[in-house]
Amino acid sequence: AQRVTQPEKLLSVFKGAPVELKCNYSYSGSPELFWYVQYSRQRLQLLLRHISRESIKGFTADLNKGETSFHLKKPFAQEEDSAMYYCALRAAGNKLTFGGGTRVLVKP
Amino acid sequence: EAGVAQSPRYKIIEKRQSVAFWCNPISGHATLYWYQQILGQGPKLLIQFQNNGVVDDSQLPKDRFSAERLKGVDSTLKIQPAKLEDSAVYLCASSFGSLLNSGNTIYFGEGSWLTVV
Repeated sequence: AQRVTQPEKLLSVFKGAPVELKCNYSYSGSPELFWYVQYSRQRLQLLLRHISRESIKGFTADLNKGETSFHLKKPFAQEEDSAMYYCALRAAGNKLTFGGGTRVLVKP
Repeated sequence: EAGVAQSPRYKIIEKRQSVAFWCNPISGHATLYWYQQILGQGPKLLIQFQNNGVVDDSQLPKDRFSAERLKGVDSTLKIQPAKLEDSAVYLCASSFGSLLNSGNTIYFGEGSWLTVV
């Protein structure tokens, strides 16, 4: 069975500081990892996926199969980055398993 | 493009009562999901439909929860009788297909907030 762990419930950083959200997973197959974000009063939405190797809103994430991690990073946090972030793993059949989420608070 | 629609947005019921939530997925999306999100936790998949057939309902508490998608479009999730621990946000989501490929992004609705008192 697959499992996703986000060890930090809350990350508080100052504007302009780097932010890193940790995500570790366990899965016996070849994983596909995602980061979802939920801004205040908005629906859960896809931020980025590891397959695309893209940078969205300044965020990047690298899949490290050796460490079974998919940490999300941004070098300079902005106030509009304040939100809930969920790491998710997709298994066969398009089943998404989510981590418990990390709340990011960017202070001015 | 219209998103995933859900109703009602908020519902408060007493324990042992019943409640039903409705979901209309994005047009053309064959796969529909119901997730339960308890406060402070990540969403947990309850049931997944492919058209009108059930793909995965392994985490659905079948003694009290039921879901259907009769015509392969809209779906209803029912809880009867409700318990206090059912208080959560019920998220509906949809995707174009169910195959494991990068084109099948899952889109979420705004959720239906249930409080059982």
